[in-house]
Amino acid sequence: EAQVTQNPRYLITVTGKKLTVTCSQNMNHEYMSWYRQDPGLGLRQIYYSMNVEVTDKGDVPEGYKVSRKEKRNFPLILESPSPNQTSLYFCASGDPREFGYEQYFGPGTRLTVT
Amino acid sequence: DQQVKQNSPSLSVQEGRISILNCDYTNSMFDYFLWYKKYPAEGPTFLISISSIKDKNEDGRFTVFLNKSAKHLSLHIVPSQPGDSAVYFCAASATGNQFYFGTGTSLTVIP
Repeated sequence: EAQVTQNPRYLITVTGKKLTVTCSQNMNHEYMSWYRQDPGLGLRQIYYSMNVEVTDKGDVPEGYKVSRKEKRNFPLILESPSPNQTSLYFCASGDPREFGYEQYFGPGTRLTVT
Repeated sequence: DQQVKQNSPSLSVQEGRISILNCDYTNSMFDYFLWYKKYPAEGPTFLISISSIKDKNEDGRFTVFLNKSAKHLSLHIVPSQPGDSAVYFCAASATGNQFYFGTGTSLTVIP
């Protein structure tokens, strides 16, 4: 089954404790991306990656890092989480079309930073 | 500043009638637009897209209309079905790889 998987699905942590949310896709997509969803703000793009080793900032990259060493994996790293990073996070991979990517989203990771 | 806006947080429609969801954008460089549907506890799923060279794209019960001069797009669902009840997000891109999403409209289709 074609899918994007994220782990963990739920995470409660404390301020300053480094964490990594993993993302993996089995569709052989070059493009991957991370979003956060917050009430009243919709989905906002954090980082995206056009292919292995190439990543670029989205709309809200501050406080996040990403790594793309393999095509299938795109982990999101929070080096020093803060309460304002409490959010619902989605990873996506993209299928190229004529004018851009159609994205397939994972099920989401709900992160709480206390 | 929100570049893509969905001004109606919610919409209720009777089963069988038309649902019209609206989206406005501010960046005139956007040339690729998409609609995604999201059920609770799931990730968004792609629904339909349109490029700026078209003003209409149709896929079954779903039609997206683009009015570039007004910087407005809309999604029409005809006929609406209870299974269409979900949150709908519009998204826009100028580059095809960086995307801006709206805040979503929660559609309820009443049986």
